[in-house]
Amino acid sequence: ETGVTQTPRHLVMGMTNKKSLKCEQHLGHNAMYWYKQSAKKPLELMFVYSLEERVENNSVPSRFSPECPNSSHLFLHLHTLQPEDSALYLCASSQAILWATNEKLFFGSGTQLSVL
Amino acid sequence: ELKVEQNPLFLSMQEGKNYTIYCNYSTTSDRLYWYRQDPGKSLESLFVLLSNGAVKQEGRLMASLDTKARLSTLHITAAVHDLSATYFCAVVPQYNAGNNRKLIWGLGTSLAVNP
Repeated sequence: ETGVTQTPRHLVMGMTNKKSLKCEQHLGHNAMYWYKQSAKKPLELMFVYSLEERVENNSVPSRFSPECPNSSHLFLHLHTLQPEDSALYLCASSQAILWATNEKLFFGSGTQLSVL
Repeated sequence: ELKVEQNPLFLSMQEGKNYTIYCNYSTTSDRLYWYRQDPGKSLESLFVLLSNGAVKQEGRLMASLDTKARLSTLHITAAVHDLSATYFCAVVPQYNAGNNRKLIWGLGTSLAVNP
């Protein structure tokens, strides 16, 4: 495996379900990110972790709960989602935190989430 | 509000033609990124532009940055079908008390190159 991998690729869930998205990076990076990509909207940064510590939480509803057990893995735990949460959820990583350096982001292929 | 505006949002062009995608941004910045996304795939970094007047080229794509005009361009030369994708620009605002320290993204330009 190389790069940034995300599972599952597709997820359909009801509003009362609990599910988790998984991201793994094989690049030796120290920063990891969750983004939400919705149609006709710019990419929205949700969470940022640097060296396993959360450094950014952009007013994301509590029904989204991130977890970063180590620098290679990032999870997004989902519960009681709403239909408007349906989107493509992208994980990304960078060597160091993006705004402090001239780093670039490496993205996974995303999880296409549908909330019914 | 910090904004990044791309123009056009949709572009259909013929193979062999040239075209330019524009990215305007509303805040001071000396760092701008261009990314490419193929349908159903991840975003791939194309260019990082770090200073006024920066120009970078990769194959048929050339990106430039004018920080005074707050404008970046992505020029496509002699387009081929393989360039069909969505192209995003993103800006890192220069830090000040009013800015969030994160990338500000454009909506993307969806490019279709037709035979």
